[in-house]
Amino acid sequence: AQSVTQLDSHVSVSEGTPVLLRCNYSSSYSPSLFWYVQHPNKGLQLLLKYTSAATLVKGINGFEAEFKKSETSFHLTKPSAHMSDAAEYFCVVSEGYSSASKIIFGSGTRLSIRP
Amino acid sequence: GAVVSQHPSRVICKSGTSVKIECRSLDFQATTMFWYRQFPKQSLMLMATSNEGSKATYEQGVEKDKFLINHASLTLSTLTVTSAHPEDSSFYICSADHRTSGGLETQYFGPGTRLLVL
Repeated sequence: AQSVTQLDSHVSVSEGTPVLLRCNYSSSYSPSLFWYVQHPNKGLQLLLKYTSAATLVKGINGFEAEFKKSETSFHLTKPSAHMSDAAEYFCVVSEGYSSASKIIFGSGTRLSIRP
Repeated sequence: GAVVSQHPSRVICKSGTSVKIECRSLDFQATTMFWYRQFPKQSLMLMATSNEGSKATYEQGVEKDKFLINHASLTLSTLTVTSAHPEDSSFYICSADHRTSGGLETQYFGPGTRLLVL
């Protein structure tokens, strides 16, 4: 069975400082992992995805995530936070290569940016 | 890029009425679409998988007679909330499975439909 845990329900950082959103997963098979962002009253947007290629994945808006199998983690990072990064972030796991397989959403992490 | 739309974006209805929500993939064909429900400040919960030309697959605990899903074409799936009640008020989000030229599949999400049942 697969599962995903987002360790922090809320993260607050100052503008210009690094961002770290943590995600751990559990999967019986080689998982595909995704990060999505949801801005208030808007739809989900794909930030990046890992599908068994390079373990360091670069996404949009300066975000990146590193797949660490030994730690079963897929943490999301950004070197310098911007006010527009304030949103809800979801880590998602899907077993296998195809995201059309059943996917599981993490509980979400709300990112706040202090001026 | 892949775009998924939902209509309506917001709907208010009286208790006991039925509401239909449309999910369209605008620039690609999607054999598989998914319907999610999101409660305030919570994560998305998969309700059902909508397969073009066949019956939808519902997750455990989701009433298939309550939430009717029709995926009549490769670009359209509909979710009908029948005899809606206040507890059905929620944010409903669909996604469509998009396959890139490289063979990778990614789900792209619609903007969501906020349903309020009075």
